[in-house]
Amino acid sequence: ELKVEQNPLFLSMQEGKNYTIYCNYSTTSDRLYWYRQDPGKSLESLFVLLSNGAVKQEGRLMASLDTKARLSTLHITAAVHDLSATYFCAGQVTGNTPLVFGKGTRLSVIA
Amino acid sequence: ETGVTQTPRHLVMGMTNKKSLKCEQHLGHNAMYWYKQSAKKPLELMFVYNFKEQTENNSVPSRFSPECPNSSHLFLHLHTLQPEDSALYLCASSHPGDRANYGYTFGSGTRLTVV
Repeated sequence: ELKVEQNPLFLSMQEGKNYTIYCNYSTTSDRLYWYRQDPGKSLESLFVLLSNGAVKQEGRLMASLDTKARLSTLHITAAVHDLSATYFCAGQVTGNTPLVFGKGTRLSVIA
Repeated sequence: ETGVTQTPRHLVMGMTNKKSLKCEQHLGHNAMYWYKQSAKKPLELMFVYNFKEQTENNSVPSRFSPECPNSSHLFLHLHTLQPEDSALYLCASSHPGDRANYGYTFGSGTRLTVV
């Protein structure tokens, strides 16, 4: 059974700083996803990582995947207030199995 | 609007009531899902439908009853709920199998409060 763990669960960071959110998973996972959720809103897809060594970047966010270590990271560069949200990673054993989510990381960017 | 529409957005119901949540997608997806999001727990998968057939029931109590009349619509029928069932219920859709490379598209959710 696939289990997904994120850390930290809460993160308060200053504007302009860099930080990394970690996502570990327990068994082989064909693909790894990152989602963002704003309070009271739906989950928005950020990144899909399909292979070992995959790296994707969008603005101040960069996601990577190391399948050997069973680890994905979401790196935040020079944080701004608009990035405040909850970030979820999710693993999927194969394309035919449901996504399994981590508990989420609540990020708060302060001035 | 994400392409997956859920109604109602908010619902307050008594423990003896019967209500239904509705989810609709016009993305051409063939898989639909119900997830429960509680305050202190990870997103919990409840039900999975592939091509209108239920393929997963994640040990969900029978007071939750899903219905998928076609690939575009998904319902969650609720009856005799408990206060601990209060949560955000999220619907999602996707292409199943190898075409699932883009993950799930989620609806905005229904915030359910059981009183």
